[in-house]
Amino acid sequence: QKEVEQNSGPLSVPEGAIASLNCTYSDRVSQSFFWYRQYSGKSPELIMSIYSNGDKEDGRFTAQLNKASQYVSLLIRDSQPSDSATYLCAVRSSNTGKLIFGQGTTLQVKP
Amino acid sequence: NAGVMQNPRHLVRRRGQEARLRCSPMKGHSHVYWYRQLPEEGLKFMVYLQKENIIDESGMPKERFSAEFPKEGPSILRIQQVVRGDSAAYFCASSPLEGSEAFFGQGTRLTVV
Repeated sequence: QKEVEQNSGPLSVPEGAIASLNCTYSDRVSQSFFWYRQYSGKSPELIMSIYSNGDKEDGRFTAQLNKASQYVSLLIRDSQPSDSATYLCAVRSSNTGKLIFGQGTTLQVKP
Repeated sequence: NAGVMQNPRHLVRRRGQEARLRCSPMKGHSHVYWYRQLPEEGLKFMVYLQKENIIDESGMPKERFSAEFPKEGPSILRIQQVVRGDSAAYFCASSPLEGSEAFFGQGTRLTVV
C-alpha cells in the first residue's frame, strides 16, 4: 500500500463547476496534511494546510479531512481554466516528520 | 523575505562527474527537504534535514548520493559519478518547524549527457 494515494486523472470539469480531488493515506497517526498545486515545468505551490477533522475554507478552495477514514480532499468551486494543473496531496509522517507526496491528480478545466 | 533559493537552476554534467545542488531555506527556517521528480511523475522524497542533522534519509540511494545542512550556509545535495538516470528535477522545500507548512524552491534541472 502506498503511503499517500491519489487518482492520477486527468479529471476534466467544465468552467464554473466544482472540482473534487481526493487523497487517502496510510499513516493513522499523522496530524498534518497539505495540498499543493504544480503547473507544468514549475515548482509546487502550497494551497492549503489542514490539521483538524472537518472543513477548512480559503476563497474558492475547501480542504476536508477525515482522520477516521484516513481521507483528505480538496474542493475547488467555480473552477477556472487557470486552475488546470496537477494537485499534490502531502502528508507529514508521524514517525520522522518527513513530508510524503501522492502521485498527483491532473485537473483540466475546459472553457 | 526571500523565498527558498535553489541554484543552479539548470545543471549539465557529463557521465561520471559530480553534481552539487544548493538550497538556501527561507529566513528563519531550519528544516529542509529534498525531492526528485521525473517528467510526468510525482515528487519522490529523498532526505529530510535539520541544521547539522539528517533526520530521515530513507529515500536516498545508498551509493553516490549524500546531503548536508551545515550550521552556516545552504543545504547541499551531492551526486557523485552521475549517470543518465540521475537526470531529473530536484526540488528542495523548507519549513520553520516540524509539522508546519513547507515551501518549495524553483528547483534544479539536472541533465546528464
